[in-house]
Amino acid sequence: SQTIHQWPATLVQPVGSPLSLECTVEGTSNPNLYWYRQAAGRGLQLLFYSVGIGQISSEVPQNLSASRPQDRQFILSSKKLLLSDSGFYLCAWWSDEVYTFGSGTRLTVV
Amino acid sequence: GESVGLHLPTLSVQEGDNSIINCAYSNSASDYFIWYKQESGKGPQFIIDIRSNMDKRQGQRVTVLLNKTVKHLSLQIAATQPGDSAVYFCAEVISGSARQLTFGSGTQLTVLP
Repeated sequence: SQTIHQWPATLVQPVGSPLSLECTVEGTSNPNLYWYRQAAGRGLQLLFYSVGIGQISSEVPQNLSASRPQDRQFILSSKKLLLSDSGFYLCAWWSDEVYTFGSGTRLTVV
Repeated sequence: GESVGLHLPTLSVQEGDNSIINCAYSNSASDYFIWYKQESGKGPQFIIDIRSNMDKRQGQRVTVLLNKTVKHLSLQIAATQPGDSAVYFCAEVISGSARQLTFGSGTQLTVLP
């Protein structure tokens, strides 16, 4: 079966600290992978997407970066977090005409 | 730029009534539309989808209507239940290999007892 794993579920980080959120998928090969962010009371905003290993497209300029070291692994990173980075981060995949979201990571930068 | 937007930010309905949530889109290149339900603290949950070559699709208690002439999408929920209370998003999938989703801002549906 096709599944998507995203962790951690919640994270509290101080301003200026680094960030690494990981997402892995199972049950498919060569999926499109995405990172979305959702601010409180708002819709989802696409941050990055990847159509293959090592291929990253950025949609929004920011201090975040993404990497895809393996076909089924997508990582969201930051060297120094800002207060404005707080939000709900969602990993998603597109494969076989199906769009699936992970359970999300709630990041609070303090 | 291209965007998907919702007409109403909140909607309150009596339990047992039908709910209609509307959405306008502007990207003519979209070939696929999805409705999601999101409960507090959780990721979006797929409800129903529709392709641009269709104008209606029905699921269990839900119906999605697509009017390409006016670029309008709606979600109808029959016999709304308390468990239907959530934020509902419409999203359009842009044609092409990247298949990005563009989301509307969401409608908060509240089911009243």
